[in-house]
Amino acid sequence: GAGVSQSPSNKVTEKGKDVELRCDPISGHTALYWYRQSLGQGLEFLIYFQGNSAPDKSGLPSDRFSAERTGGSVSTLTIQRTQQEDSAVYLCASSSRTDYNSPLHFGNGTRLTVT
Amino acid sequence: AQRVTQPEKLLSVFKGAPVELKCNYSYSGSPELFWYVQYSRQRLQLLLRHISRESIKGFTADLNKGETSFHLKKPFAQEEDSAMYYCALGRGSTLGRLYFGRGTQLTVWP
Repeated sequence: GAGVSQSPSNKVTEKGKDVELRCDPISGHTALYWYRQSLGQGLEFLIYFQGNSAPDKSGLPSDRFSAERTGGSVSTLTIQRTQQEDSAVYLCASSSRTDYNSPLHFGNGTRLTVT
Repeated sequence: AQRVTQPEKLLSVFKGAPVELKCNYSYSGSPELFWYVQYSRQRLQLLLRHISRESIKGFTADLNKGETSFHLKKPFAQEEDSAMYYCALGRGSTLGRLYFGRGTQLTVWP
């Protein structure tokens, strides 16, 4: 079946513009994560959604970042007034369970470049 | 505070040589530990999980709670093992945030 789908795959934007990144998790997966992958920084946690529970937003780096998950499925990560330091690969992952027996399934990521 | 430390950003070995990718974690409770791998132009994927105690693609990893380590080992490295490897820590009994290390880029030379 289809894996986690992210769009766009690449996004180039000017500093100060807003961007929206989309994630379609695997159907039926209740858990959804956003991570940011920067050179030399590894994977930086941004936000975690689990079912109808309040999301864990503890990783969002500033109030310019927000994310929502509609209907427990598709998620959108929004970055307002983008800065050059926002340039990174943004990864989405989903999981089918609420315990650690199910691995995270990652998408291919969105490469964001802020000029 | 860094919860997962991978001290080597880059690691190179020759084919057939043993390889060990180091991972240390910081957590006083019972950890859930994982190794994820990203091959060139592929998605990040789970390699192995400590609780399964299985060998995947010849790799094993043992949890050492005394040393708070979860090193990844393979006795005879292959060229196809060249990839970025991430150690990850889960805390608590239910799935939540996973803390990833900064990754180790392994290169296996022919």
